[in-house]
Amino acid sequence: EAGVAQSPRYKIIEKRQSVAFWCNPISGHATLYWYQQILGQGPKLLIQFQNNGVVDDSQLPKDRFSAERLKGVDSTLKIQPAKLEDSAVYLCATKRGGGTDTQYFGPGTRLTVL
Amino acid sequence: AQSVAQPEDQVNVAEGNPLTVKCTYSVSGNPYLFWYVQYPNRGLQFLLKYITGDNLVKGSYGFEAEFNKSQTSFHLKKPSALVSDSALYFCAVRDINTGFQKLVFGTGTRLLVSP
Repeated sequence: EAGVAQSPRYKIIEKRQSVAFWCNPISGHATLYWYQQILGQGPKLLIQFQNNGVVDDSQLPKDRFSAERLKGVDSTLKIQPAKLEDSAVYLCATKRGGGTDTQYFGPGTRLTVL
Repeated sequence: AQSVAQPEDQVNVAEGNPLTVKCTYSVSGNPYLFWYVQYPNRGLQFLLKYITGDNLVKGSYGFEAEFNKSQTSFHLKKPSALVSDSALYFCAVRDINTGFQKLVFGTGTRLLVSP
């Protein structure tokens, strides 16, 4: 089966600009996560969706970050306006169901904010 | 809060030798533990997980991990390292307290296998 797809793979913007990332999950995967991975660190969860509903967005900087999954399939993550410290890899992961299912990750989007 | 610690930033091993990448965890209840590998410019790839049962878990690419409850450890092992195993390895624990099943990751250990 096809894996988690993300685009773009790389993005360079100036601070205060806006940017959006897209994620297409593995078919049938109801749960979708967005993680932020800063260089030298492990991924940190930003937001979790169950179908099209938000389950956990406690670590999402809501003043500048937003995410949606309108039809319970594709998802977009937006940053507006970007700051220098937002430079990171943004990873999308999906999981079929709950319980002990495994999360599968996409290749990520590397964002550089100048 | 749930957490994992990976005490080594880097592990160096010669090809053909056994390798161990260490991970210790802290959870309030039963731990669900995972290992992922990340190659340059790639996302994380699932290697193996421990949920319950046998303490020795076998995973992809010849890797295995041993769950030790008394030492709260979940070390990743491979009997014979390959140069192609060189990558960044992450241990993760499922945060059961939130009920939302998110993964909490360690800081990663870079494995360097020399020819």
